[in-house]
Amino acid sequence: AQTVTQSQPEMSVQEAETVTLSCTYDTSENNYYLFWYKQPPSRQMILVIRQEAYKQQNATENRFSVNFQKAAKSFSLKISDSQLGDTAMYFCAFISPPQGAQKLVFGQGTRLTINP
Amino acid sequence: DSGVTQTPKHLITATGQRVTLRCSPRSGDLSVYWYQQSLDQGLQFLIQYYNGEERAKGNILERFSAQQFPDLHSELNLSSLELGDSALYFCASSSDSYGYTFGSGTRLTVV
Repeated sequence: AQTVTQSQPEMSVQEAETVTLSCTYDTSENNYYLFWYKQPPSRQMILVIRQEAYKQQNATENRFSVNFQKAAKSFSLKISDSQLGDTAMYFCAFISPPQGAQKLVFGQGTRLTINP
Repeated sequence: DSGVTQTPKHLITATGQRVTLRCSPRSGDLSVYWYQQSLDQGLQFLIQYYNGEERAKGNILERFSAQQFPDLHSELNLSSLELGDSALYFCASSSDSYGYTFGSGTRLTVV
């Protein structure tokens, strides 16, 4: 079975600091996609960033970047220059195979608080 | 606006009742997924439909059922409701790659 593990239930940093959220996953597949979703207090699920497993280059979206280590099955999210609006639950998610729209498997989430 | 529309946004009902949650996927997306999120929990996959047919099933109770109609909108039916069914129910849609787009969810409260 494919599983996603987020080992940090909660994290807290000061505004403008950099924070890294951890995620590991378990799969025997070679082709898959990884995602980070953000869930602010409004409870809306918002896609932050995605990574295709066949791409060696780490994905980047403005202040958000990932460190994808395929051999280690690790997919961490780095938030630079953190802002108060980054306060949210962050979920790591996995899907395989990407074609045929299989279900997303989510981790349990990391609650991130950005303090002023 | 994500393009995925869920109605209603909030629903309060009594135990033993039946409710229907509705989802309209993003234009062009053939797949619809339903997820349940209980308080401070992760998202649990319930069921997937692809172009009108059931594609995958997760931890969906027998009291729950779903369908996808020819216009691709989907409905999740919850019956014989229990207090423990109180949760946020998300619908998401996708094309064949690049992940999901989520609706804003339906918050169900069973009293």
